Amino acid sequence: EIVLTQSPGTLSLSPGERATLSCRASQSVSSSYLAWYQQKPGQAPRLLIYGASSRATGIPDRFSGSGSGTDFTLTISRLEPEDFAVYYCQQYGSSTGTFGQGTKVEIK
Amino acid sequence: QVQLQESGPGLVKPSETLSLTCAVSGYSISSGYYWGWIRQPPGKGLEWIGSIYHSGSTYYNPSLKSRVTISVDTSKNQFSLKLSSVTAADTAVYYCARDLITDSSGYYDYWGQGTLVTVSS
Repeated sequence: EIVLTQSPGTLSLSPGERATLSCRASQSVSSSYLAWYQQKPGQAPRLLIYGASSRATGIPDRFSGSGSGTDFTLTISRLEPEDFAVYYCQQYGSSTGTFGQGTKVEIK
Repeated sequence: QVQLQESGPGLVKPSETLSLTCAVSGYSISSGYYWGWIRQPPGKGLEWIGSIYHSGSTYYNPSLKSRVTISVDTSKNQFSLKLSSVTAADTAVYYCARDLITDSSGYYDYWGQGTLVTVSS
């Protein structure tokens, strides 16, 4: 099973700042099959990015994904108030998809 | 717009079977895609449970496979989850979602709102 480790655990930033979230895999993720989700309290996760860098339908272009192999990054270019949430990465390049433990982006 | 809605008991006794149903609207399950279940223990991360195709083809998380059964009812446009021999560790919010499976496993674009299932006597 591929283990995903997200860092940092918590990111304290102000609106307008840039957020950089990391997701590291215990082994190479096949075909860059990596997704990112946003989850707000009491809500279901929302797909942001798939295929490491493709934005899902309706996702603003301030969200971008990059990386390959074992190291992936989600960047939010300028934080909007609605972007403060928990973010999860997920790999689907193996027969059992797995999620990271999440990074909380909180208001500083 | 694809919508999913979970339903089922919110409280299950230890050793019993957890049963949930996901009703899909805005899309016919028979038209394609896999449909899956994911859970999230309170305050913790996400765990994929398993997924099913409209034909009945399934794939499960090996860690839960011995206790999980997922079935589909295309006439009602819904699919269901059964998890047997539950313990307190199975307490979680259970989500159903559309599974965009690739050549291995999948990612999820439409999700239900989730339903909390507590395992307690």
